[in-house]
Amino acid sequence: SQQGEEDPQALSIQEGENATMNCSYKTSINNLQWYRQNSGRGLVHLILIRSNEREKHSGRLRVTLDTSKKSSSLLITASRAADTASYFCCLSSDTGANSKLTFGKGITLSVRP
Amino acid sequence: SAVISQKPSRDICQRGTSLTIQCQVDSQVTMMFWYRQQPGQSLTLIATANQGSEATYESGFVIDKFPISRPNLTFSTLTVSNMSPEDSSIYLCSVEVRWQGDYGYTFGSGTRLTVV
Repeated sequence: SQQGEEDPQALSIQEGENATMNCSYKTSINNLQWYRQNSGRGLVHLILIRSNEREKHSGRLRVTLDTSKKSSSLLITASRAADTASYFCCLSSDTGANSKLTFGKGITLSVRP
Repeated sequence: SAVISQKPSRDICQRGTSLTIQCQVDSQVTMMFWYRQQPGQSLTLIATANQGSEATYESGFVIDKFPISRPNLTFSTLTVSNMSPEDSSIYLCSVEVRWQGDYGYTFGSGTRLTVV
C-alpha cells in the first residue's frame, strides 16, 4: 500500500508564525487524515478531508487537498509552543469497515517560544 | 469519541522474554488495531483484532511472535514474544471512531518497549 510523503521532514518556527506542512501521495485515496504525536505518546486525530473536498478548517487548522496534484497541506496558524510535536499524514484508500490507514514518516515541528 | 487506556506505558525487558500489552476502550468497538512505531519511524500496522475471531496479521507479522487476544468488544491484548532488541519500539492500539458523518482513529498512549 502507498505511503504519504511529508515535507519538510523538520520545521522550526517562532511562536505566532504559521506552520505549513505538506503531504504527497501516488495513487487514489478515499480520504486523507492528519495526526499529531507528542513525544513518545499516542497519536491524536486532527482533521480528515475527503477526496471530494478541497479545504477544511478546524480551529487554527486548515487543511487543503488537491487530488489532481495528489497533495495535501496542513496549515497551523498563530502557532504556539504547545504545537511542538510530530505531524503525520495518513492515507485511507478503502471505505467503511475495511479501511486501512497508511502513515507517512512524519514532520517534526518545533515552535520556539 | 472513544477513550483508550493502554498499559504498561513503558517497560524494559530482557531478551527472550515476553511482554503483554493491554488496551481497554470505554465503549464497544468492532475492530481494534495494533501498530508498531520503531524509533524515528512511522506507524506500521501489525494486525487487526476482531472480537470472536482470530486476528488478521499484516505481511511480515505472525501470530507466534505477536499473539493477540480479543475476548470482548472493549478489550484486547498484544503479546510480544521471545523478544530481541529489534523489537524495541512503541506499540499502540487504535480504534475507529465516528462523529457527525466524519471518522478518524483514536490511539492509546502507547507502550514504549526497550529490549536489552
